[in-house]
Amino acid sequence: DTGVSQDPRHKITKRGQNVTFRCDPISEHNRLYWYRQTLGQGPEFLTYFQNEAQLEKSRLLSDRFSAERPKGSFSTLEIQRTEQGDSAMYLCASSPGLLNTGELFFGEGSRLTVL
Amino acid sequence: DQQVKQNSPSLSVQEGRISILNCDYTNSMFDYFLWYKKYPAEGPTFLISISSIKDKNEDGRFTVFLNKSAKHLSLHIVPSQPGDSAVYFCAASDHGAAGNKLTFGGGTRVLVKP
Repeated sequence: DTGVSQDPRHKITKRGQNVTFRCDPISEHNRLYWYRQTLGQGPEFLTYFQNEAQLEKSRLLSDRFSAERPKGSFSTLEIQRTEQGDSAMYLCASSPGLLNTGELFFGEGSRLTVL
Repeated sequence: DQQVKQNSPSLSVQEGRISILNCDYTNSMFDYFLWYKKYPAEGPTFLISISSIKDKNEDGRFTVFLNKSAKHLSLHIVPSQPGDSAVYFCAASDHGAAGNKLTFGGGTRVLVKP
């Protein structure tokens, strides 16, 4: 399978705990995006990387959120001191970058439940 | 500030009939528009797109229409099939901005009845 993969698919945690999600993009894609989707809403942009550089962060990305893409391949999204409002589906997407047709390729998402 | 809006949260249609999904946007810098389909427990998958230099794009049973003056686009599915039952998201991007990030609408849930 050469699509975008995300791990874990589901995470249940207690409020105040830290969680980390991993995304492996399509191998030749140099752009990687994180989105968040809550129930009944469309995906909301969080941040994106061009290779290893994080080039834009949404104001939705509070100080408790940090994303990295250290070698320009996989990415991690960490949420510290989770709150119940962080419960959502976290979607990762990738695109070819300069050859981009505009389409983003999404993974299946990581669902976070904060109790 | 919701820049992309899908005002119909749900749509029910009989198999074989036409499904029409609507989307409005406010940002005049958007120049590329896409429709994504999402099944439960899966990520969104790309369906069809249209550039602002066109007013129509067809791909099989799917046609997207763009009315730039009205900042409105629509997706037509003809004929609708039960497998089309899913949530459909309209998305837009500004190709002149860095990153080509997509801004999504809230989605329309389509149910195609056999």
